[in-house]
Amino acid sequence: NAGVTQTPKFQVLKTGQSMTLQCAQDMNHEYMSWYRQDPGMGLRLIHYSVGAGITDQGEVPNGYNVSRSTTEDFPLRLLSAAPSQTSVYFCASSYSQGHQETQYFGPGTRLLVL
Amino acid sequence: GENVEQHPSTLSVQEGDSAVIKCTYSDSASNYFPWYKQELGKGPQLIIDIRSNVGEKKDQRIAVTLNKTAKHFSLHITETQPEDSAVYFCAVDSNYQLIWGAGTKLIIKP
Repeated sequence: NAGVTQTPKFQVLKTGQSMTLQCAQDMNHEYMSWYRQDPGMGLRLIHYSVGAGITDQGEVPNGYNVSRSTTEDFPLRLLSAAPSQTSVYFCASSYSQGHQETQYFGPGTRLLVL
Repeated sequence: GENVEQHPSTLSVQEGDSAVIKCTYSDSASNYFPWYKQELGKGPQLIIDIRSNVGEKKDQRIAVTLNKTAKHFSLHITETQPEDSAVYFCAVDSNYQLIWGAGTKLIIKP
């Protein structure tokens, strides 16, 4: 199993550009989530999904969109990048009760917005 | 909403000594308290977790204790080794989400 994979590993954007961060898992997990990690602030939940076709907002959803058309994939879209979105983004997956089960994290995408 | 505070932010211990990291939380309805280890350039990885019906849980050199009355839980690492150097995060479940502490950088001195 590849586990949770994320692409790209690193990206530089200009303010106003859009992009999609890709996330895929091959463990047949129902629950998937996106976090951003900023220095001194731990991990903050952006969006999550409890299954294909179902998504919900986390703690910091503004400026981001998600969709879940398949169990395996959970892309994160930045609609119009801003410098405040400079961060490291982690995708995670887990079994059904995601908030009370082991989270399996991808390697992260480092995003720099100029 | 839930507030999770983690202390200390940096902890430096001599190899072989013990390390203790503490987290406090505010939501009395929280029932799940995991600890994650993050090595440089990688995503966090679960090392141990505890649920509210248990006061202490141990896995080899790692243990977690939970005091629900006082709303705090702690990670204990005994006989520290160089490979224990990493950033450690606590988390708490609240409203179908995990709320994370800010992290503790653990440095093991040779």
